[in-house]
Amino acid sequence: DTEVTQTPKHLVMGMTNKKSLKCEQHMGHRAMYWYKQKAKKPPELMFVYSYEKLSINESVPSRFSPECPNSSLLNLHLHALQPEDSALYLCASSQEWDNTYEQYFGPGTRLTVT
Amino acid sequence: KNQVEQSPQSLIILEGKNCTLQCNYTVSPFSNLRWYKQDTGRGPVSLTIMTFSENTKSNGRYTATLDADTKQSSLHITASQLSDSASYICVVNAGNNRKLIWGLGTSLGVNP
Repeated sequence: DTEVTQTPKHLVMGMTNKKSLKCEQHMGHRAMYWYKQKAKKPPELMFVYSYEKLSINESVPSRFSPECPNSSLLNLHLHALQPEDSALYLCASSQEWDNTYEQYFGPGTRLTVT
Repeated sequence: KNQVEQSPQSLIILEGKNCTLQCNYTVSPFSNLRWYKQDTGRGPVSLTIMTFSENTKSNGRYTATLDADTKQSSLHITASQLSDSASYICVVNAGNNRKLIWGLGTSLGVNP
């Protein structure tokens, strides 16, 4: 099974809301990633978790808060977002945090901030 | 500066025809190069991943080439199908910092 699942598929939230994005993989991968993708742009790395520890934070604003409860799950908590945060949020995983390994992407969550 | 440039930016072909997409990179040190296919609003799907010692790799109707000396790669699609309509993104791994350098992609449209 090479599947990464993400929920929800679509999310509309106001600027004062708190919501969470969820990502799950059962491939035994020890690295998980959050990316943000705007229209007609490549994905931008936000966070990397390796062995459930935050290894990379690409200077992401604190209104985005990642969490890795266990080796299979990755959450992204959202609070007080801005309209410019509207984007496709992609989760990915790989066997290790080493880019010789393939990254497997989920289908993404389309987020709209109103 | 590490960069990945792709051409053309967009391309429209007729179903059944072949096409070739280009990727030039200035990433150093080089570890590997991958091609992804991304349908609109979906996550990228890996087509191939190549190290510097590999110069050709195939995945069905997709064939990627790599020339590590000239820092160029191409993705050749044979006998295109309507489902090939997508963005094709070239991604290079800079081996010293675990970072992937993404190109802007080529948007391919296949018309009946």
